[in-house]
Amino acid sequence: QVQLVQSGAEVKKPGASVKVSCKASGYSFTGYYIHWVRQAPGQGLEWMGRFNPNSGDTNYAQKFQGRVTMTRDTSISTAYMELSRLRSDDTAVFYCAREGGDAGDYWGQGTLVSVSS
Amino acid sequence: DIQMTQSPSSLSASVGDRVTITCRASQALSNSLAWYQQQPGKAPKLLLYAASRLASGVPSRFSGSGSGTDYTLTIRSLQPEDFATYYCQQYYFTPTWTFGQGTKVEIK
Repeated sequence: QVQLVQSGAEVKKPGASVKVSCKASGYSFTGYYIHWVRQAPGQGLEWMGRFNPNSGDTNYAQKFQGRVTMTRDTSISTAYMELSRLRSDDTAVFYCAREGGDAGDYWGQGTLVSVSS
Repeated sequence: DIQMTQSPSSLSASVGDRVTITCRASQALSNSLAWYQQQPGKAPKLLLYAASRLASGVPSRFSGSGSGTDYTLTIRSLQPEDFATYYCQQYYFTPTWTFGQGTKVEIK
């Protein structure tokens, strides 16, 4: 069955970077786009960008341009999202989602990133 | 940038009620709209895509309709497990996904 399993919670200081992983199984990793979505505490869903695991191409939301980097390791079917220059308002749960039929048909369980001095 | 506006932001309902949530886009979407359900502490779950097509395994009490800029999610007979927050999302302007602000369905 299709699964996206994300890395565990992180605590970071302001100005640091965080790299979240998303390991795919149960389907062809390079056959589907991966999106990253952020959810601040008590808030809604915010799209960060889309990643093509086959070509490595990226499309980032303007809000995160210059701070976000999406990559992959096809040998282990894992996508990564790195966010740099963290601020306290980056505290959120980060989700990866597979784009199937244009929408997010499978989602990771989420990774909580807490930013605090 | 496209804006997605859901209404209401929250509602109270009883088990067995019919519930309707509306999503309005600032531009026409040509039915490129999805609905998600999110339980507290869980990832979003896809309910419908292409405005009205049920995702795999989703109960038939969920339905979607609409066209152009206006879309609706209906839950025919609310069940205890349906109390959650619901989000609409456009994917017409791919690769960008834009979500509504969410509608929280609470127990009356």
